[in-house]
Amino acid sequence: NAGVMQNPRHLVRRRGQEARLRCSPMKGHSHVYWYRQLPEEGLKFMVYLQKENIIDESGMPKERFSAEFPKEGPSILRIQQVVRGDSAAYFCASSPSRDRGHEQYFGPGTRLTVT
Amino acid sequence: LAKTTQPISMDSYEGQEVNITCSHNNIATNDYITWYQQFPSQGPRFIIQGYKTKVTNEVASLFIPADRKSSTLSLPRVSLSDTAVYYCLVGETTSGTYKYIFGTGTRLKVLA
Repeated sequence: NAGVMQNPRHLVRRRGQEARLRCSPMKGHSHVYWYRQLPEEGLKFMVYLQKENIIDESGMPKERFSAEFPKEGPSILRIQQVVRGDSAAYFCASSPSRDRGHEQYFGPGTRLTVT
Repeated sequence: LAKTTQPISMDSYEGQEVNITCSHNNIATNDYITWYQQFPSQGPRFIIQGYKTKVTNEVASLFIPADRKSSTLSLPRVSLSDTAVYYCLVGETTSGTYKYIFGTGTRLKVLA
């Protein structure tokens, strides 16, 4: 009964490099949400995707950040030209359908450190 | 925009019942009330969810009054392993997206 899986669990990047974070939703779930958590803060919504579609990206920074959820494979959160302020824990959650969006199951997160 | 208010921190002793109350005065008609638990370096873990009245599962109970402007999470007989941050959430539904707005949560510390 695999839950939401994220990899890598820890990622270190130098300023200016690219970071790719992967999320495999729970079996049977086709909706993915990405959240970011800064130290000592709550999670902040970034983007909501369905297979092959971005439904809501209102929480995504306008530059350097992008997300996708292809027909096959995991959802990817991509951060280009990382800066120190991107250091945070990134969590994804999945839900079975849009009208069951209140049932979000979270993964263990990816901790990104930018040096 | 639905918003929740909950105590920043609470202390309790092992074996006691812990009640954490959350205010959500602007809750919308179609909003659910959901509680998550988060341990350090882990993702939020779903505890319980309700819409109205009382919900109970093997982990906790959730009490919701008729006006739904508040809710109370009840953890029976807490143990040291229940030390965590507890988030009370109502969703913000914009264009059909059910977005959770996380606050800073309640840091529960269970003492021996």
